[in-house]
Amino acid sequence: GAVVSQHPSWVICKSGTSVKIECRSLDFQATTMFWYRQFPKQSLMLMATSNEGSKATYEQGVEKDKFLINHASLTLSTLTVTSAHPEDSSFYICSALRLASNEQFFGPGTRLTVL
Amino acid sequence: GEDVEQSLFLSVREGDSSVINCTYTDSSSTYLYWYKQEPGAGLQLLTYIFSNMDMKQDQRLTVLLNKKDKHLSLRIADTQTGDSAIYFCAGGSNQAGTALIFGKGTTLSVSS
Repeated sequence: GAVVSQHPSWVICKSGTSVKIECRSLDFQATTMFWYRQFPKQSLMLMATSNEGSKATYEQGVEKDKFLINHASLTLSTLTVTSAHPEDSSFYICSALRLASNEQFFGPGTRLTVL
Repeated sequence: GEDVEQSLFLSVREGDSSVINCTYTDSSSTYLYWYKQEPGAGLQLLTYIFSNMDMKQDQRLTVLLNKKDKHLSLRIADTQTGDSAIYFCAGGSNQAGTALIFGKGTTLSVSS
């Protein structure tokens, strides 16, 4: 099946710093990628839809200036958590949409811990 | 919008069958999925069913869909300790480019 990678798999940072998370589709092109967030023992919540070559669409309640999304190529989307705070600590998961089959493939997730 | 509900916890003994239930609200969901998440890991697609199907079987997994009641279930036969994980059901539309709506997940605990 199709493979989606995320980097890094985990990151610890100090409060106030920015963290970039990459999501790559390794063997297919993805014009659309999704970023989800998962708090402990909770479901995945969609944060934003990332479209190649255009601005991301953010879900209600998600600050676009805090969670910067860039989808610069058909295989890469990045999520930058700017000025991270402890409440941003979470598990961030991306998925990539393979348009030919309308299937979403999920990355392994990135665990962010903000001290 | 779509709302997906699941029971939060299920405990079974090794070798028994597990049945995880899910209800959804949006009848326009054309795909319904079951994902497995092991601790600290991402999501693994287990199986999915189209809304025009009643049942789908894939080895130890059986998915039942009652479209009238908007009820989806996942049955795992001969449950093993390696099946211990969180199971999410998710709904999606046929429209390309739409995200999935997830339930809160059911934690399956399998004891030997």
